[in-house]
Amino acid sequence: GDSVTQMEGPVTLSEEAFLTINCTYTATGYPSLFWYVQYPGEGLQLLLKATKADDKGSNKGFEATYRKETTSFHLEKGSVQVSDSAVYFCALSNIRNSGNTPLVFGKGTRLSVIA
Amino acid sequence: NAGVTQTPKFQVLKTGQSMTLQCAQDMNHNSMYWYRQDPGMGLRLIYYSASEGTTDKGEVPNGYNVSRLNKREFSLRLESAAPSQTSVYFCASSETGGSPLHFGNGTRLTVT
Repeated sequence: GDSVTQMEGPVTLSEEAFLTINCTYTATGYPSLFWYVQYPGEGLQLLLKATKADDKGSNKGFEATYRKETTSFHLEKGSVQVSDSAVYFCALSNIRNSGNTPLVFGKGTRLSVIA
Repeated sequence: NAGVTQTPKFQVLKTGQSMTLQCAQDMNHNSMYWYRQDPGMGLRLIYYSASEGTTDKGEVPNGYNVSRLNKREFSLRLESAAPSQTSVYFCASSETGGSPLHFGNGTRLTVT
């Protein structure tokens, strides 16, 4: 079945450091890929998405490029802030004859940014 | 904008007790979902409803039942709670399957 694997955390960075959180997926066909963010005590929020190969999703300084050849969707940010401290989830949704499948999530990566 | 509203926020149950978690969305979304979140396990899908009148099992449905009461509401019932069901439960909705999900703020359930 479809699955998502993301790097284990926690990740601790200093403010203004470069961030990469790796995400790879296993899926047949052409899934849509997502990054969600969860701040303490809250539900998940969509951060960015990409629906086809070579698409780049971006939001709030975060970027991720859908790479079909490496089945990856790594999250990057050039300069992190303390307010970026959260848990980040990579997810995918695939297409079947019956329609899109529910999102499958990775296990999440906790990011802590220190001033 | 309320979005997705879950009640209650916290609940403590004894083993064997039953309860229903409520979820309502005001975005006129067709699809609704229940996930559970456990440390080191990410989010796992319990049940979902692709559209009003339909429900389907997800990855971890055992011990749960759901009801899609109408387009707005999707409830999750634990008939006989077990300690293994201690978790944080999230309801979510989306316009259609594959569309981005909108999440509620979760229900933290402890079963002793």
